[in-house]
Amino acid sequence: DQQVKQNSPSLSVQEGRISILNCDYTNSMFDYFLWYKKYPAEGPTFLISISSIKDKNEDGRFTVFLNKSAKHLSLHIVPSQPGDSAVYFCAASERGRGSQGNLIFGKGTKLSVKP
Amino acid sequence: KAGVTQTPRYLIKTRGQQVTLSCSPISGHRSVSWYQQTPGQGLQFLFEYFSETQRNKGNFPGRFSGRQFSNSRSEMNVSTLELGDSALYLCASRPGPSSYNEQFFGPGTRLTVL
Repeated sequence: DQQVKQNSPSLSVQEGRISILNCDYTNSMFDYFLWYKKYPAEGPTFLISISSIKDKNEDGRFTVFLNKSAKHLSLHIVPSQPGDSAVYFCAASERGRGSQGNLIFGKGTKLSVKP
Repeated sequence: KAGVTQTPRYLIKTRGQQVTLSCSPISGHRSVSWYQQTPGQGLQFLFEYFSETQRNKGNFPGRFSGRQFSNSRSEMNVSTLELGDSALYLCASRPGPSSYNEQFFGPGTRLTVL
């Protein structure tokens, strides 16, 4: 059973507009969430993270929102640029059990930003 | 600071063989995790090592094993290869296990089993 779900396999956005990537999770023990970006033939690159004690974290053009009651998080990219075209993975980590090294990943959303 | 390096980048093996993949973490990082990425299952956690000890293990058969050396470099081994082991194997490092840190990934080793 997938604990982290990214229900949209792909998303297409016009350059300069907002990209919103969504992620849902089922495990209420998750308390740290991360977004990674992946280009073909490269490893995932860390983008931004958020702890469950917060509901928003911002870093430049990237903002992550966390809605714990809905077990939902989203990544907003504003403004979107063609270089943002990549696969975006949502990941979660569970408190305790020494499991912080174990990230549970969604299956990714392929973002295409059109010029 | 150099990133996570993985060798080899590409590997072709046949069923029944074994393979060893290597990972050098970012300097100063002592925790290394391994993941398998396949089109069907996505990124799945294999195991994590810290101070030469396995701290956590994912849901993979015993054919998948790993180790970590005193310089934090890590290797993973897959014995008796199966066709389904064809995947991208990613290594990630972070400073240590005591607090939440983002993991930094290497470029991966693409393993093809024929």
